[in-house]
Amino acid sequence: SAVISQKPSRDICQRGTSLTIQCQVDSQVTMMFWYRQQPGQSLTLIATANQGSEATYESGFVIDKFPISRPNLTFSTLTVSNMSPEDSSIYLCSVSPTGAYNEQFFGPGTRLTVL
Amino acid sequence: AQSVTQLGSHVSVSEGALVLLRCNYSSSVPPYLFWYVQYPNQGLQLLLKYTSAATLVKGINGFEAEFKKSETSFHLTKPSAHMSDAAEYFCAVSGRGSTLGRLYFGRGTQLTVWP
Repeated sequence: SAVISQKPSRDICQRGTSLTIQCQVDSQVTMMFWYRQQPGQSLTLIATANQGSEATYESGFVIDKFPISRPNLTFSTLTVSNMSPEDSSIYLCSVSPTGAYNEQFFGPGTRLTVL
Repeated sequence: AQSVTQLGSHVSVSEGALVLLRCNYSSSVPPYLFWYVQYPNQGLQLLLKYTSAATLVKGINGFEAEFKKSETSFHLTKPSAHMSDAAEYFCAVSGRGSTLGRLYFGRGTQLTVWP
């Protein structure tokens, strides 16, 4: 298994500003994922972040809005840029250890409210 | 393409009653399947997983699920519900080939347990 921490745990932000969310893992992992969970909804994959390569974004998500960094095998950041109230969601990072049957371990999430 | 359907967005049971949460999958190849639980204000926690070994999988907190290929189902059960089981439950199926490493989540089922 893997232990994942996220910072901040929650934040309230003003429209038009940006927030960077950090994800730290206690072991080296190849694959990291960023999800958005809107109120009362399931998880929507934003992007896959593998170390040493550009993040791969899902349809409907673009790098200018959600830039991602993956500087090493234990850390990643997701920035939510030029925020609007529609960005109010829980943002979750997860990791998939090599050889774990695609099993993913999730961080506790960052609860974002945009006013 | 892989997908998951969870029948019933809300399930209510009395404490001590049987819990049955339904999940049907669509996959072109034998899948890996997962059930996750999300307690309020927390991330997702893996309950159990099917990885083509035994078709009856036992997980944490007394939950189990049975893989039925003929029905393309992976329903989650618990013989006797406890108040602490109240949470959101997500079924997920793994990606294969070009989507290896991804998980595809169902819409989730909110379980309410009445005293």
